[in-house]
Amino acid sequence: ETGVTQTPRHLVMGMTNKKSLKCEQHLGHNAMYWYKQSAKKPLELMFVYSLEERVENNSVPSRFSPECPNSSHLFLHLHTLQPEDSALYLCASSQSLNLGTRVFGNIQYFGAGTRLSVL
Amino acid sequence: AQKVTQAQTEISVVEKEDVTLDCVYETRDTTYYLFWYKQPPSGELVFLIRRNSFDEQNEISGRYSWNFQKSTSSFNFTITASQVVDSAVYFCALQNTGNQFYFGTGTSLTVIP
Repeated sequence: ETGVTQTPRHLVMGMTNKKSLKCEQHLGHNAMYWYKQSAKKPLELMFVYSLEERVENNSVPSRFSPECPNSSHLFLHLHTLQPEDSALYLCASSQSLNLGTRVFGNIQYFGAGTRLSVL
Repeated sequence: AQKVTQAQTEISVVEKEDVTLDCVYETRDTTYYLFWYKQPPSGELVFLIRRNSFDEQNEISGRYSWNFQKSTSSFNFTITASQVVDSAVYFCALQNTGNQFYFGTGTSLTVIP
């Protein structure tokens, strides 16, 4: 079992569809992240969950809705997406050694991503 | 503002050559972390190194070495005697004292056999 597993690996959806991306980590970590990777652009951090609490939301449009039901699972619910949302969506996890929800200095372990195409 | 610049978009080298990947960062924080990750064609980013802002010692790990210079805000990565398996996209990243990570646009390295 790989450390961080993302499903599906590929997803094609229309602009009116609703779909969800799933991420599962088997590393015993307590923080999880969603990133968007578009061609020629830096990885964009979307959301950070630490101790199952959302600690960062980087001005992501509301058509992206994260959910973290426990420390091992992270979802990204998608609805009414736009073609410019087509990208590779990466999930990562880390172990926060600090007290509280800070993830400063954490080493992130990434999944292989979901390649999303919005038609 | 925080920013990471990887000016080299693509690099090609012949196997066994040495190659240096540049990373320049901007931050007003005095405490921060720097990272390098490798992204092979399979997609997942693989952690290579973490360095905090108070540790300027250079590091060597096998064929990999890193040169951290706060005076020039650079954290360069050198691969010695490159191999085909080193072909990947390499990302440099900065993290400040908050929960934000800032990645560069990556350098695509191709090692030609």
